Amino acid sequence: EMQLVESGGTWVQPGGSLRLSCAASGFTFGNYWMTWVRQAPGKGLEWVANIKQDGIEIYYADSVKGRFTISRDNAKNSVDLQMNSLRVDDTAVYYCGRISYRQLPQIDYWGQGTLVTVSS
Amino acid sequence: DIQMTQSPSALSASVGDRVIITCRASQNIGSYLNWYQQKPGKAPKLLIYAASSLESGVPLRFSGSGSGTGFTLTISSLQSEDLATYYCQQTKGALTWTFGQGTKVEIK
Repeated sequence: EMQLVESGGTWVQPGGSLRLSCAASGFTFGNYWMTWVRQAPGKGLEWVANIKQDGIEIYYADSVKGRFTISRDNAKNSVDLQMNSLRVDDTAVYYCGRISYRQLPQIDYWGQGTLVTVSS
Repeated sequence: DIQMTQSPSALSASVGDRVIITCRASQNIGSYLNWYQQKPGKAPKLLIYAASSLESGVPLRFSGSGSGTGFTLTISSLQSEDLATYYCQQTKGALTWTFGQGTKVEIK
């Protein structure tokens, strides 16, 4: 069974750092792009970052560029999101997702999410 | 950046009604358009990819159409379990992806 399980979400003060992890199972992790998407409380979905299979080709939303770093370990079937200089508006549930490419790209599997709260 | 605008923001319909949700892109995105369903307290779920392809396991009452800048998600006969928020997403921009703001569907 395919699974994505996020972890690492917690409360952190503004300016702090946090590392989220997503453990993948049930599919050949190294064959897929991966993504992080977040959702602030009561708000819509916001794409955060994508990482290619090789871990070299990476894209970020402007809102997190220079503060967040996505990385992956294909040997451990995991994708991480290092978040630095956190701001109150980074408060959100963070979802990791698998990107499939049937005709065109789509997020075909999502984790259950992990909550990050940035507050003083 | 490519902006995505959904309408309406919310709607209320009866079981059995036909529901149409619209998504407009700020520039031509071809068929780089996906639709997701998010039920309360749950992660999003893929419904439609590449504008009109139905994801495996998704009921046939869901369909997608459109290309370029205008897209629609249609629920042909609304069911009580379709209570959810629906999001469109463009994946045309290789450097940045964007979601619409969401359409909340309520059952009368």
